Amino acid sequence: DTAVSQTPKYLVTQMGNDKSIKCEQNLGHDTMYWYKQDSKKFLKIMFSYNNKELIINETVPNRFSPKSPDKAHLNLHINSLELGDSAVYFCASSQSGSAFFGQGTRLTVV
Amino acid sequence: RKEVEQDPGPFNVPEGATVAFNCTYSNSASQSFFWYRQDCRKEPKLLMSVYSSGNEDGRFTAQLNRASQYISLLIRDSKLSDSATYLCVVPLGGGSYIPTFGRGTSLIVHP
Repeated sequence: DTAVSQTPKYLVTQMGNDKSIKCEQNLGHDTMYWYKQDSKKFLKIMFSYNNKELIINETVPNRFSPKSPDKAHLNLHINSLELGDSAVYFCASSQSGSAFFGQGTRLTVV
Repeated sequence: RKEVEQDPGPFNVPEGATVAFNCTYSNSASQSFFWYRQDCRKEPKLLMSVYSSGNEDGRFTAQLNRASQYISLLIRDSKLSDSATYLCVVPLGGGSYIPTFGRGTSLIVHP
């Protein structure tokens, strides 16, 4: 009974393609996030979203866009993938402080 | 000064040792603090919250020093299974809570 689940777990794709990563949480949390963890293991916030407010890290290219069909879902769309997009992408949710993470999606762009 | 700073280590300690990590933060208005643990190729998992009065959970003790703007994590009687990366989390982002992670401190406990 996974609290935060994201799919796929692994994604290998060619440069220039468009891809999506899905995330769902069954915790009833109001806020969801997307993080990117690069090869140096640094977890950087990409987006924070809570139905009313989307906060975007200004360093994130506009090729990345979050889509939230409802409170329990926050998907990540990536257009025109580049080699530098290769990383592990984590979805997370929180209600009052601590965040719970999905298992991560390891994206490899070739 | 970076928003959240940690010594990346690695800290290499024998079983049974006591080890401590510090994490400094730049936003003096921050109210909630957390320590997470991340194992290799896994997601970060909440280890413990950090309260103003300190927080102890078994072999783990977390403390907050607001005046110097740092939090600490003390691990007593280290086990092999404690080997992981320990991430400090501080909420940043003005009025919106955004968990901001430090780069993590790597701990290796050896026999």
